[in-house]
Amino acid sequence: LAKTTQPISMDSYEGQEVNITCSHNNIATNDYITWYQQFPSQGPRFIIQGYKTKVTNEVASLFIPADRKSSTLSLPRVSLSDTAVYYCLVGDRYSSASKIIFGSGTRLSIRP
Amino acid sequence: SQTIHQWPATLVQPVGSPLSLECTVEGTSNPNLYWYRQAAGRGLQLLFYSVGIGQISSEVPQNLSASRPQDRQFILSSKKLLLSDSGFYLCAWSVPGRFYEQYFGPGTRLTVT
Repeated sequence: LAKTTQPISMDSYEGQEVNITCSHNNIATNDYITWYQQFPSQGPRFIIQGYKTKVTNEVASLFIPADRKSSTLSLPRVSLSDTAVYYCLVGDRYSSASKIIFGSGTRLSIRP
Repeated sequence: SQTIHQWPATLVQPVGSPLSLECTVEGTSNPNLYWYRQAAGRGLQLLFYSVGIGQISSEVPQNLSASRPQDRQFILSSKKLLLSDSGFYLCAWSVPGRFYEQYFGPGTRLTVT
């Protein structure tokens, strides 16, 4: 079971690029890396998913090094509305939901 | 487009009372369905998931149960609530065969008194 470790909290300012790193030393061959964003009193929102190298969408980029033991969620030019908790999940996206774990996440605070 | 509904939005129930939370999904067929609970300031805990009608997998032993009477309906129940059942209950769906890309409903805030 691939356990993930993220910073508990991060602070940044509007307009900056924010990088949140997730460690997953025991990631398995079939595991994907998935990130979610959660605002207070709302359900999480799927942001991005990747297996290796780099994935980019309209919201964020996900960087995964060759050894896949960590990953970095990159949020370009953040705004106040990016203040949220970000969760990193690791698992085989095709096999089962039984190992899905949302940890404590990273609480990102954006200041003016 | 797909839409997921949960109700009620908030609920205050006394200890020992029954519980029924409902979740429905529109715009998709045969979705995977999930129930999560989130305690205050904590991460999400997967309670149940279902890959089809009548197929329920329980992830955490507790006094809660789940049922899927129709393809796009998922119900969370309890016969007798405990104080520890308080929390934010979230329903989610995903495409069949894909488990990590989930789409969440608005949630139900349950307070057991």
